[in-house]
Amino acid sequence: AQKITQTQPGMFVQEKEAVTLDCTYDTSDPSYGLFWYKQPSSGEMIFLIYQGSYDQQNATEGRYSLNFQKARKSANLVISASQLGDSAMYFCAMSTGNRDDKIIFGKGTRLHILP
Amino acid sequence: GAGVSQSPRYKVAKRGQDVALRCDPISGHVSLFWYQQALGQGPEFLTYFQNEAQLDKSGLPSDRFFAERPEGSVSTLKIQRTQQEDSAVYLCASSENPGLATTDTQYFGPGTRLTVL
Repeated sequence: AQKITQTQPGMFVQEKEAVTLDCTYDTSDPSYGLFWYKQPSSGEMIFLIYQGSYDQQNATEGRYSLNFQKARKSANLVISASQLGDSAMYFCAMSTGNRDDKIIFGKGTRLHILP
Repeated sequence: GAGVSQSPRYKVAKRGQDVALRCDPISGHVSLFWYQQALGQGPEFLTYFQNEAQLDKSGLPSDRFFAERPEGSVSTLKIQRTQQEDSAVYLCASSENPGLATTDTQYFGPGTRLTVL
């Protein structure tokens, strides 16, 4: 069975600092994808970044990068030079190639950027 | 380009009323998903459509929940005889390619916040 764990319910970070949001996962399927989504107070889930299990390099998208450590089954999101607008809930999610598996989400981390 | 849209954004219903929630996916997206997000939790899968076919409805919590996508584009999630435990945000997502178990990126709508009194 799949499992996603986000151990940080909330984080406070000073503006312009880098922040790392933790995510660990568990699956027996060798083919899987890992996603991070941002959910501001408006409610919309905004796709940030994707990492495939066979990707050789860590994914990067602008200020977002995914620190993918396959052996440790971790997929931490790193946000560089944080901005006030980064304050939101962040969800880690996973989907596998197993036809009976659905995408599953962690419980999320609420990030607060302090001015 | 246009993203996924949902309506209404907010819905208040009295217990026992029926509600209908609408989702307009990104044009041309084959896959459509419905999720339920309780307060303080991540989204949980409800049901999946590939075009007009509902291929998985294993996440629907009871037979009061019904979803359709008759022409393979717009989808409606209907909840009959609403109960207080149905209060949640209902999210719709679409993705370009077919497949429930896929590593394809899902694009989400803003959600409908349902409050049952």
